[in-house]
Amino acid sequence: DIQMTQSPSVLSASVGDRVTLNCKASQNINKYLNWYQQNLGEAPKLLISNTNSLQTGIPSRFSGSGSGTDFTLTISSLQPEDFATYFCFQHDSWPGTFGSGTKLEIK
Amino acid sequence: EVQLVESGGGLVQPGRSLKLSCLASGFIFSNYGMNWIRQAPGKGLEWVASISSSSSYTYYADRVKGRFTISRDNAKNTLSLQMTSLRSEDTALYYCTRVHTLDYWGQGVMVTVSS
Repeated sequence: DIQMTQSPSVLSASVGDRVTLNCKASQNINKYLNWYQQNLGEAPKLLISNTNSLQTGIPSRFSGSGSGTDFTLTISSLQPEDFATYFCFQHDSWPGTFGSGTKLEIK
Repeated sequence: EVQLVESGGGLVQPGRSLKLSCLASGFIFSNYGMNWIRQAPGKGLEWVASISSSSSYTYYADRVKGRFTISRDNAKNTLSLQMTSLRSEDTALYYCTRVHTLDYWGQGVMVTVSS
């Protein structure tokens, strides 16, 4: 199975900051990388699919980039509701595999 | 609005069985493949099982193959996971998800395997 490595595991930031979360695949996954946001006790929410396709209703401050093995999720200006856990997921190879997550916490 | 609502979790002894269900709404259930994903306490997410829209294809992770059975009832918009010979390592929050790209998730149902 393809291994997905996320970094950092914890990121401390302030409201208004620009932050970048990273996800690295153990082999080429083309563009087939999704990003999810998860708040405690809630269902994961798909933010971005296929590297950079913003889902309907997701604010434009979220963006994704990358290709091959290295991918990033950028939040341009953190809002209070953005403090959550984010994880990546590859669906290039069956079965899909997950990163271990980045917890975004308030500094 | 797409909704996936899991049920059937709880505390069960090792070696016993449990059946999870997921009631889907807000989309044409029979058009979509479905999956179960799980997350053990303090651990990462793990793909458990998948089923195609017409039940013609199923997939299982090696760790559950032969013990878990995924099924669906398209007339009742329901996805199921029959779990047998449960082990302590099956303790996890189980999520119902849609399609292989996991575009929608339920809130999850907790399964605890312990004596």
